[in-house]
Amino acid sequence: GENVEQHPSTLSVQEGDSAVIKCTYSDSASNYFPWYKQELGKRPQLIIDIRSNVGEKKDQRIAVTLNKTAKHFSLHITETQPEDSAVYFCAASMPGGSYIPTFGRGTSLIVHP
Amino acid sequence: DSGVTQTPKHLITATGQRVTLRCSPRSGDLSVYWYQQSLDQGLQFLIQYYNGEERAKGNILERFSAQQFPDLHSELNLSSLELGDSALYFCASSSGTVDSPLHFGNGTRLTVT
Repeated sequence: GENVEQHPSTLSVQEGDSAVIKCTYSDSASNYFPWYKQELGKRPQLIIDIRSNVGEKKDQRIAVTLNKTAKHFSLHITETQPEDSAVYFCAASMPGGSYIPTFGRGTSLIVHP
Repeated sequence: DSGVTQTPKHLITATGQRVTLRCSPRSGDLSVYWYQQSLDQGLQFLIQYYNGEERAKGNILERFSAQQFPDLHSELNLSSLELGDSALYFCASSSGTVDSPLHFGNGTRLTVT
């Protein structure tokens, strides 16, 4: 089955800095890659996603890049703010079967004011 | 608001007991997923249903069972509870296609004493 590795497990930045979270996946058949943000004690929420026919996608301060050849994708957050502090999960899904996303173990992002 | 409703929000029970967690998916979503999240842990996939049928099983214990009813709501039954079952249990729903994101409920926090 699919395996998703996520790094780093913890990321500490100063407000205004950029943050990058990286994920690798094992199955080249995976073609959908969502990112979820989970604030403390709350539910995971989709913040951005990318499909395998796209190399990059941006939404305001958030961007995701995908390298299908290397089988890795990354989340970039620019001009970080304290409210960006949360756990971020990447995931990968492949066609066929039950379409269950395989999640990374999460990155705890801490933005210091 | 994700549109996914989970009840109850909190549940405190004793070891050896049985509880039922309930989930109503987003309107129009046919697929329901159950996840377990222990303290500082990632999202552990338990089971998925699609339009009333079990579609995939993850790391679900034999003491746990679930079902999806004709109105598409789902219940997760946890029996012979142990201290280690204390966790946040999330239900998520999606349309069930490969590139459809999961929409998570607010979770049920289960405490076993």
